[in-house]
Amino acid sequence: QSALTQPASVSGSPGQSITISCTGTSSDVGALHFVSWYQQHPGKAPKLMIFEVSHRPSGVSNRFSGSKSGNTASLTISGLQAEDEADYYCSSYTTSSTLLFGGGTKLTVL
Amino acid sequence: QVQLVESGGGLVKPGGSLRLSCAASGFTVSDYYMTWIRQAPGKGLEWVSYISPSGKTVLYADSVKGRFTISRDNVKNSLHLQMSSLRVEDTAVFYCARGDDSDAFEIWGLGTMVTVSS
Repeated sequence: QSALTQPASVSGSPGQSITISCTGTSSDVGALHFVSWYQQHPGKAPKLMIFEVSHRPSGVSNRFSGSKSGNTASLTISGLQAEDEADYYCSSYTTSSTLLFGGGTKLTVL
Repeated sequence: QVQLVESGGGLVKPGGSLRLSCAASGFTVSDYYMTWIRQAPGKGLEWVSYISPSGKTVLYADSVKGRFTISRDNVKNSLHLQMSSLRVEDTAVFYCARGDDSDAFEIWGLGTMVTVSS
């Protein structure tokens, strides 16, 4: 299975909102409600930001939100802050019970 | 304190074997889905394998199927990944992680680097 498709980079100014897309197929993103998003700062381990499309783990800011439409999931970050600058990865459970990640999106806060 | 610490990485020649370990503290590994996820240098994340709490469900990515084996030591409260027939393209940081289900992982270790090179 091919990786999920994410834009290589997005950028925004402090205070703005940005959205990162994650496109899959009817065998993964489109089939199930199990899309997650991870934030990774350089040299650090990934951090779970969103699970099951739109749920936030305890401690994650409500500036982070997730949604899904058809085969595409989205992560929106509102009120952009300098500390949000990082790589973001989506992942989806598949109909084969495996996991697929997206290629990652580098977020730059201008 | 809930924590995962990986070990066992290193330099190995193509075709060689390596066994990674992940020591858990603050929780019991057999109560959760445990997974291995890797990241090649400068690249994205790639799921490798997971094991269910019961141990009855074990799945692998196609890229490692038949070469890697995930296991768990309930006495030592640890997770392992036995890797054989290693290839240059297996070079990566290997993370172990914990999830309440098999689709999302909230607790991660710091990773251990595996380099496959002649």
